[in-house]
Amino acid sequence: KAGVTQTPRYLIKTRGQQVTLSCSPISGHRSVSWYQQTPGQGLQFLFEYFSETQRNKGNFPGRFSGRQFSNSRSEMNVSTLELGDSALYLCASSLTGAGEKLFFGSGTQLSVL
Amino acid sequence: SQQGEEDPQALSIQEGENATMNCSYKTSINNLQWYRQNSGRGLVHLILIRSNEREKHSGRLRVTLDTSKKSSSLLITASRAADTASYFCATVPNSGNTPLVFGKGTRLSVIA
Repeated sequence: KAGVTQTPRYLIKTRGQQVTLSCSPISGHRSVSWYQQTPGQGLQFLFEYFSETQRNKGNFPGRFSGRQFSNSRSEMNVSTLELGDSALYLCASSLTGAGEKLFFGSGTQLSVL
Repeated sequence: SQQGEEDPQALSIQEGENATMNCSYKTSINNLQWYRQNSGRGLVHLILIRSNEREKHSGRLRVTLDTSKKSSSLLITASRAADTASYFCATVPNSGNTPLVFGKGTRLSVIA
């Protein structure tokens, strides 16, 4: 069974641009969560989608958004990038969410210059 | 915001020694999980312990949970160089359908 796939692996953008990251969960998993990881703040929860609906949302500004498609694949978008958005963005999937163990992708390393 | 706090922040040991990492959390939980992360990669789930369990084993891993003290520990026995990684605890709060909340991790270095 294929694991969680995140693309791209690396991204370099400049301030003010926008970016879209993609995540394909493990087949059959309906819950997809996104986390931002930085050295200073650690792992911060962004949002969780389940069956195309946002079920939980972390404390991030509206520049951060996401969606989930009918095949459970998910995208997150960050608009008007700031230097502080430089981070490793991790996607994780599980069957139903709800406190289950998470299966993580390798992440997208975003650098904002 | 972080729910779990790992201690120590960094740990360096010799191969063959045991490594113990601790996690403290603030609110009541449904379960607590431990994950490992190799540098710059995704996290790998190690073990899940439910709030009504006190101890769990998986291979060389032993996890304990003390809900009265709101703390957990992860013991890795007979460590190997390949165990070098960051280890995170993550809690599932009792308050409804809420996501996992991660601590900032313990950086373990196992020296061959």
